[in-house]
Amino acid sequence: KAGVTQTPRYLIKTRGQQVTLSCSPISGHRSVSWYQQTPGQGLQFLFEYFSETQRNKGNFPGRFSGRQFSNSRSEMNVSTLELGDSALYLCASSLSPTVNTEAFFGQGTRLTVV
Amino acid sequence: DAKTTQPPSMDCAEGRAANLPCNHSTISGNEYVYWYRQIHSQGPQYIIHGLKNNETNEMASLIITEDRKSSTLILPHATLRDTAVYYCIVRVQNSGNTPLVFGKGTRLSVIA
Repeated sequence: KAGVTQTPRYLIKTRGQQVTLSCSPISGHRSVSWYQQTPGQGLQFLFEYFSETQRNKGNFPGRFSGRQFSNSRSEMNVSTLELGDSALYLCASSLSPTVNTEAFFGQGTRLTVV
Repeated sequence: DAKTTQPPSMDCAEGRAANLPCNHSTISGNEYVYWYRQIHSQGPQYIIHGLKNNETNEMASLIITEDRKSSTLILPHATLRDTAVYYCIVRVQNSGNTPLVFGKGTRLSVIA
């Protein structure tokens, strides 16, 4: 079966712009989580969605937002980009938040803010 | 914050067993131990998880001490492709999953 698909793979944006990243989970998976990875902070949890509802949120400013659609696909948006937002953004899907199972990660979107 | 402690780096000779330790002395009764690894520039990959019994799958074995305060991930015959950062994570499994909280992990280098 197809894995987690993230688009685009690479992105370059200018400070002050906004960006939208997309994640298509594995078929049948209804839970999608987003992570930010930087060399200094490592992998940090952004938020988790299930059934179009945000279930958990990490410690990020309100410029970071997301949503999930009825087909479980998810998008995350970052507004008013800052240089520090340059990172690898990873999406992970799992069956549901209440099933003891593993999360499958996509290859990520590498965002560079200049 | 991550609730686990791992050595920052380890080396292992190709073909030998790689034993990666993890300390989770504050683990609660309803927390599972998960292991993921991240090969350079890829997303993390699930390896194995367990509660209190030892677990084995096609990738690795997980040995959890009886008091559950530490565990060891064993890659029985390490290959160069096992070079990666390995993350040990404790995660509540109760009414709902908690997010995966990644620490700094252990950078395993498999040497030919």
